[in-house]
Amino acid sequence: GQQLNQSPQSMFIQEGEDVSMNCTSSSIFNTWLWYKQDPGEGPVLLIALYKAGELTSNGRLTAQFGITRKDSFLNISASIPSDVGIYFCAGQLRSGTYKYIFGTGTRLKVLA
Amino acid sequence: GAVVSQHPSRVICKSGTSVKIECRSLDFQATTMFWYRQFPKQSLMLMATSNEGSKATYEQGVEKDKFLINHASLTLSTLTVTSAHPEDSSFYICSARHPGQNSYEQYFGPGTRLTVT
Repeated sequence: GQQLNQSPQSMFIQEGEDVSMNCTSSSIFNTWLWYKQDPGEGPVLLIALYKAGELTSNGRLTAQFGITRKDSFLNISASIPSDVGIYFCAGQLRSGTYKYIFGTGTRLKVLA
Repeated sequence: GAVVSQHPSRVICKSGTSVKIECRSLDFQATTMFWYRQFPKQSLMLMATSNEGSKATYEQGVEKDKFLINHASLTLSTLTVTSAHPEDSSFYICSARHPGQNSYEQYFGPGTRLTVT
Protein backbone atom coordinates (compact mmCIF):
# COMPACT_ATOMS: atom_id res chain seq x y z
CA GLY A 1 0.00 0.00 0.00
CA GLN A 2 0.90 3.65 -0.25
CA GLN A 3 3.11 5.16 2.45
CA LEU A 4 4.53 8.54 3.25
CA ASN A 5 8.27 9.06 3.38
CA GLN A 6 9.42 9.98 6.84
CA SER A 7 12.90 11.06 7.84
CA PRO A 8 15.08 10.42 9.58
CA GLN A 9 14.36 6.73 9.86
CA SER A 10 15.94 6.66 13.32
CA MET A 11 17.92 8.97 15.53
CA PHE A 12 19.89 8.89 18.74
CA ILE A 13 19.99 12.14 20.66
CA GLN A 14 21.16 13.36 24.02
CA GLU A 15 18.63 14.29 26.67
CA GLY A 16 17.85 17.99 26.47
CA GLU A 17 18.44 18.27 22.74
CA ASP A 18 15.81 19.38 20.27
CA VAL A 19 14.52 16.91 17.67
CA SER A 20 13.18 17.50 14.18
CA MET A 21 11.55 15.04 11.84
CA ASN A 22 9.52 15.39 8.70
CA CYS A 23 7.11 13.67 6.42
CA THR A 24 7.03 14.24 2.67
CA SER A 25 4.95 13.09 -0.26
CA SER A 26 4.28 13.83 -3.89
CA SER A 27 0.56 13.99 -3.08
CA ILE A 28 -1.42 16.80 -1.54
CA PHE A 29 -3.03 16.16 1.85
CA ASN A 30 -5.99 17.78 3.58
CA THR A 31 -5.13 16.87 7.17
CA TRP A 32 -2.00 15.73 8.96
CA LEU A 33 -1.90 13.79 12.20
CA TRP A 34 1.19 13.00 14.26
CA TYR A 35 1.30 9.95 16.52
CA LYS A 36 3.73 8.37 18.98
CA GLN A 37 3.82 4.61 19.43
CA ASP A 38 5.50 2.75 22.26
CA PRO A 39 6.49 -0.91 21.76
CA GLY A 40 3.51 -3.25 21.84
CA GLU A 41 1.03 -0.39 22.16
CA GLY A 42 -1.32 1.47 19.86
CA PRO A 43 -0.33 4.90 18.53
CA VAL A 44 -1.26 7.93 20.62
CA LEU A 45 -2.41 11.10 18.88
CA LEU A 46 -0.06 14.03 19.52
CA ILE A 47 -1.08 16.81 17.18
CA ALA A 48 -3.64 17.37 14.41
CA LEU A 49 -3.14 19.90 11.58
CA TYR A 50 -5.94 21.09 9.33
CA LYS A 51 -4.70 24.03 7.24
CA ALA A 52 -1.68 24.66 5.03
CA GLY A 53 0.89 26.68 6.95
CA GLU A 54 -0.71 25.89 10.31
CA LEU A 55 1.68 25.71 13.26
CA THR A 56 0.37 23.90 16.35
CA SER A 57 1.97 23.14 19.68
CA ASN A 58 1.28 20.56 22.36
CA GLY A 59 3.64 21.11 25.26
CA ARG A 60 7.18 20.55 24.02
CA LEU A 61 5.90 19.36 20.65
CA THR A 62 5.35 21.64 17.69
CA ALA A 63 4.10 20.53 14.29
CA GLN A 64 3.56 22.38 11.04
CA PHE A 65 1.42 21.70 8.00
CA GLY A 66 3.64 22.47 5.01
CA ILE A 67 2.56 25.35 2.79
CA THR A 68 2.57 23.11 -0.28
CA ARG A 69 0.33 20.63 1.57
CA LYS A 70 2.75 17.88 0.61
CA ASP A 71 4.75 17.78 3.82
CA SER A 72 4.64 18.19 7.56
CA PHE A 73 7.20 18.65 10.31
CA LEU A 74 7.36 17.70 13.97
CA ASN A 75 9.74 19.25 16.45
CA ILE A 76 10.36 18.13 20.02
CA SER A 77 12.16 20.58 22.27
CA ALA A 78 14.33 19.67 25.24
CA SER A 79 13.93 15.93 24.80
CA ILE A 80 13.55 13.67 27.83
CA PRO A 81 13.96 9.88 28.16
CA SER A 82 10.21 9.23 27.91
CA ASP A 83 10.21 10.73 24.40
CA VAL A 84 11.65 7.40 23.26
CA GLY A 85 9.38 5.68 20.77
CA ILE A 86 8.32 5.63 17.16
CA TYR A 87 6.73 8.73 15.69
CA PHE A 88 4.36 8.40 12.75
CA CYS A 89 2.85 11.03 10.56
CA ALA A 90 -0.49 10.30 8.88
CA GLY A 91 -1.94 12.21 5.96
CA GLN A 92 -5.54 12.36 4.81
CA LEU A 93 -5.61 12.23 1.03
CA ARG A 94 -9.17 13.15 0.29
CA SER A 95 -11.66 14.96 2.45
CA GLY A 96 -14.73 13.03 3.45
CA THR A 97 -13.13 9.59 3.37
CA TYR A 98 -11.45 9.88 6.78
CA LYS A 99 -8.78 7.43 5.58
CA TYR A 100 -5.16 8.14 6.39
CA ILE A 101 -1.89 7.00 4.92
CA PHE A 102 0.84 6.49 7.48
CA GLY A 103 4.46 7.44 7.26
CA THR A 104 7.30 4.98 7.53
CA GLY A 105 8.06 6.13 11.08
CA THR A 106 10.94 7.79 12.90
CA ARG A 107 12.45 5.76 15.74
CA LEU A 108 13.72 8.06 18.45
CA LYS A 109 16.16 7.04 21.16
CA VAL A 110 17.18 9.46 23.87
CA LEU A 111 20.46 9.00 25.70
CA ALA A 112 20.36 10.17 29.28
CA GLY B 1 -12.06 11.32 26.53
CA ALA B 2 -11.53 9.39 23.26
CA VAL B 3 -10.59 6.03 24.73
CA VAL B 4 -10.56 2.94 22.53
CA SER B 5 -10.12 -0.58 23.87
CA GLN B 6 -9.31 -3.85 22.16
CA HIS B 7 -9.81 -7.41 23.27
CA PRO B 8 -7.95 -9.65 23.49
CA SER B 9 -4.54 -8.02 23.80
CA ARG B 10 -2.81 -11.25 22.83
CA VAL B 11 -4.08 -14.45 21.25
CA ILE B 12 -2.40 -17.62 20.12
CA CYS B 13 -4.38 -19.94 17.90
CA LYS B 14 -3.79 -23.01 15.81
CA SER B 15 -3.64 -22.91 12.05
CA GLY B 16 -7.08 -23.30 10.50
CA THR B 17 -9.04 -21.84 13.38
CA SER B 18 -10.80 -18.46 13.47
CA VAL B 19 -10.11 -15.60 15.84
CA LYS B 20 -12.33 -12.65 16.71
CA ILE B 21 -10.90 -9.31 17.84
CA GLU B 22 -13.12 -6.66 19.39
CA CYS B 23 -12.66 -2.90 19.19
CA ARG B 24 -14.71 -0.65 21.44
CA SER B 25 -14.96 3.11 21.77
CA LEU B 26 -15.49 3.58 25.50
CA ASP B 27 -16.52 7.21 25.90
CA PHE B 28 -17.78 8.24 22.48
CA GLN B 29 -19.82 6.88 19.61
CA ALA B 30 -17.93 6.01 16.47
CA THR B 31 -19.77 5.65 13.20
CA THR B 32 -16.48 4.83 11.53
CA MET B 33 -13.71 2.57 12.76
CA PHE B 34 -10.61 1.38 10.99
CA TRP B 35 -8.59 -1.81 11.13
CA TYR B 36 -4.85 -1.75 10.59
CA ARG B 37 -2.16 -4.37 10.48
CA GLN B 38 1.40 -3.76 11.57
CA PHE B 39 4.41 -6.02 11.03
CA PRO B 40 7.47 -5.74 13.30
CA LYS B 41 9.36 -2.48 12.84
CA GLN B 42 7.03 -1.40 10.08
CA SER B 43 4.33 1.17 9.68
CA LEU B 44 0.58 0.73 9.91
CA MET B 45 -1.22 -0.58 6.87
CA LEU B 46 -4.93 0.12 6.57
CA MET B 47 -6.91 -3.06 6.00
CA ALA B 48 -10.49 -1.82 5.99
CA THR B 49 -12.91 0.89 7.02
CA SER B 50 -15.74 -0.29 9.24
CA ASN B 51 -19.01 1.63 8.98
CA GLU B 52 -21.76 1.21 11.54
CA GLY B 53 -24.79 -0.45 10.02
CA SER B 54 -23.25 -1.09 6.62
CA LYS B 55 -20.65 -3.23 4.91
CA ALA B 56 -16.99 -2.61 5.51
CA THR B 57 -14.81 -1.15 2.79
CA TYR B 58 -11.66 -3.15 2.20
CA GLU B 59 -8.35 -1.88 0.89
CA GLN B 60 -6.91 -3.35 -2.26
CA GLY B 61 -5.32 -6.73 -1.65
CA VAL B 62 -7.20 -7.45 1.59
CA GLU B 63 -9.42 -10.52 1.35
CA LYS B 64 -12.85 -9.66 2.70
CA ASP B 65 -13.78 -13.32 3.16
CA LYS B 66 -10.72 -13.90 5.27
CA PHE B 67 -10.97 -10.76 7.39
CA LEU B 68 -14.62 -10.43 8.33
CA ILE B 69 -15.62 -7.10 9.82
CA ASN B 70 -18.84 -6.36 11.65
CA HIS B 71 -19.79 -2.95 13.04
CA ALA B 72 -23.07 -3.72 14.71
CA SER B 73 -23.21 -0.78 17.10
CA LEU B 74 -21.81 2.72 17.45
CA THR B 75 -19.26 1.53 19.99
CA LEU B 76 -18.20 -1.90 18.73
CA SER B 77 -16.47 -3.25 15.66
CA THR B 78 -15.16 -6.79 15.35
CA LEU B 79 -12.53 -8.29 13.10
CA THR B 80 -12.63 -12.05 12.58
CA VAL B 81 -9.62 -13.71 11.01
CA THR B 82 -11.02 -16.85 9.45
CA SER B 83 -9.01 -20.01 8.84
CA ALA B 84 -5.92 -18.35 10.23
CA HIS B 85 -2.48 -19.33 8.98
CA PRO B 86 0.99 -18.48 10.29
CA GLU B 87 1.35 -15.67 7.75
CA ASP B 88 -1.63 -13.96 9.42
CA SER B 89 0.44 -13.54 12.58
CA SER B 90 0.72 -9.82 13.15
CA PHE B 91 -0.21 -6.87 15.36
CA TYR B 92 -3.77 -5.78 14.59
CA ILE B 93 -4.81 -2.30 15.68
CA CYS B 94 -8.15 -0.58 15.40
CA SER B 95 -8.92 3.10 15.46
CA ALA B 96 -12.12 5.04 15.85
CA ARG B 97 -13.02 8.33 14.27
CA HIS B 98 -14.05 10.83 16.91
CA PRO B 99 -17.29 12.59 15.99
CA GLY B 100 -17.99 16.27 16.34
CA GLN B 101 -15.72 19.24 15.83
CA ASN B 102 -12.51 17.30 15.35
CA SER B 103 -14.02 14.52 13.29
CA TYR B 104 -10.83 13.99 11.33
CA GLU B 105 -8.99 12.74 14.37
CA GLN B 106 -8.58 9.01 14.90
CA TYR B 107 -7.92 7.36 18.22
CA PHE B 108 -6.26 3.98 18.41
CA GLY B 109 -6.80 0.96 20.57
CA PRO B 110 -3.86 -0.75 22.28
CA GLY B 111 -3.61 -3.46 19.63
CA THR B 112 -3.96 -7.23 19.51
CA ARG B 113 -0.96 -9.48 18.97
CA LEU B 114 -2.06 -12.54 16.98
CA THR B 115 0.19 -15.56 16.76
CA VAL B 116 -0.88 -18.48 14.59
CA THR B 117 0.98 -21.71 15.22
